[in-house]
Amino acid sequence: ETGVTQTPRHLVMGMTNKKSLKCEQHLGHNAMYWYKQSAKKPLELMFVYSLEERVENNSVPSRFSPECPNSSHLFLHLHTLQPEDSALYLCASSQTAGGSYEQYFGPGTRLTVT
Amino acid sequence: LAKTTQPISMDSYEGQEVNITCSHNNIATNDYITWYQQFPSQGPRFIIQGYKTKVTNEVASLFIPADRKSSTLSLPRVSLSDTAVYYCLVGDVTGGATNKLIFGTGTLLAVQP
Repeated sequence: ETGVTQTPRHLVMGMTNKKSLKCEQHLGHNAMYWYKQSAKKPLELMFVYSLEERVENNSVPSRFSPECPNSSHLFLHLHTLQPEDSALYLCASSQTAGGSYEQYFGPGTRLTVT
Repeated sequence: LAKTTQPISMDSYEGQEVNITCSHNNIATNDYITWYQQFPSQGPRFIIQGYKTKVTNEVASLFIPADRKSSTLSLPRVSLSDTAVYYCLVGDVTGGATNKLIFGTGTLLAVQP
């Protein structure tokens, strides 16, 4: 049990669909992250939230829209995705946002865009 | 950007010590060095973190030279279950950080019986 859960674990969606990924952390952390991991590529940091405020947005296309209603929950809203967006989407949390803090990862959502 | 460079893959046998080196030539003064382990279709798992010199925990050791431009993860007596991808990570996440937090391509460690 990592303390970070993600739902759904698998998602197949068409390019015109709208879906949301959910992440919840039970560790009392103040920072949460979204990463994208494509096949045979390293993890790409997408968004970082600290105390529900977005502190990092790494030039992610607007078809990905994050939401952090509180420090325990993080969503990634998806719309009008492209096939190249198919990937493993990972959520992580840490005590505080920063490279010196251990990140705890969830199991990921395997997304397939058809 | 704090680009990290690691070997793409390494092979080892059960019971051996494995050393994986990561190069991070433009590490910033405030950057920590963190190593993660990832199994297929799972999220990465923290192994160890350090700033300088040597750090040891129950699963690994991390050696960092004085110039901090590289680091070496040492796994003592590996087993088959240590077969995974190992990532070296440096940088920070804040907008004003010199180096953005970036995972490298990782090292696929294959442990043979």
